[in-house]
Amino acid sequence: GENVEQHPSTLSVQEGDSAVIKCTYSDSASNYFPWYKQELGKGPQLIIDIRSNVGEKKDQRIAVTLNKTAKHFSLHITETQPEDSAVYFCAASSPNLVNEKLTFGTGTRLTIIP
Amino acid sequence: GAVVSQHPSWVICKSGTSVKIECRSLDFQATTMFWYRQFPKQSLMLMATSNEGSKATYEQGVEKDKFLINHASLTLSTLTVTSAHPEDSSFYICSARIPRQSNEKLFFGSGTQLSVL
Repeated sequence: GENVEQHPSTLSVQEGDSAVIKCTYSDSASNYFPWYKQELGKGPQLIIDIRSNVGEKKDQRIAVTLNKTAKHFSLHITETQPEDSAVYFCAASSPNLVNEKLTFGTGTRLTIIP
Repeated sequence: GAVVSQHPSWVICKSGTSVKIECRSLDFQATTMFWYRQFPKQSLMLMATSNEGSKATYEQGVEKDKFLINHASLTLSTLTVTSAHPEDSSFYICSARIPRQSNEKLFFGSGTQLSVL
């Protein structure tokens, strides 16, 4: 099955600087890659996603890049703010799996230092 | 985005009792819902896929008699933790996907923190 690795597990960034979180996946057939933000005691919230036919997608301060050849994708947050502090999960979905289940990375705890 | 409502947000129960968690899709009909379990500082682990009108599909290692799933309508799925024990204490999260938009846009509920004494 699919295996998603995520790095780093923790990341501290000065407010205003950029943060980058990286994920790799194992199933070359995976074609959908969402990123979720989870605040303490809450469910994950979809913040951005990308499909395999696109190399990059941007939404204001958040961007995601995908390298299909290398099977890795990254989340980029620019001009970080204290409210960006949360746990971020990447995920990958393969159409080969029944019901197209998402496989999640292990999460990155992002702390923005004021 | 679509809204998935989950209740209760937290529950404390005695060992041996059963606890029911509800997951509702508020503005769309969800033929499929997913139930996850999350331990502190860990990732989400898929427990089962709930299909409206049919039996749930459980992931390997998940006891179907322990975690009863019912998806009786297109907007409601329930997870019942039967005869709960302290090791069942965890954060349970449901999610749903908008039909006919496969492979995209999985929306999550706010989660239920279960503490079994």
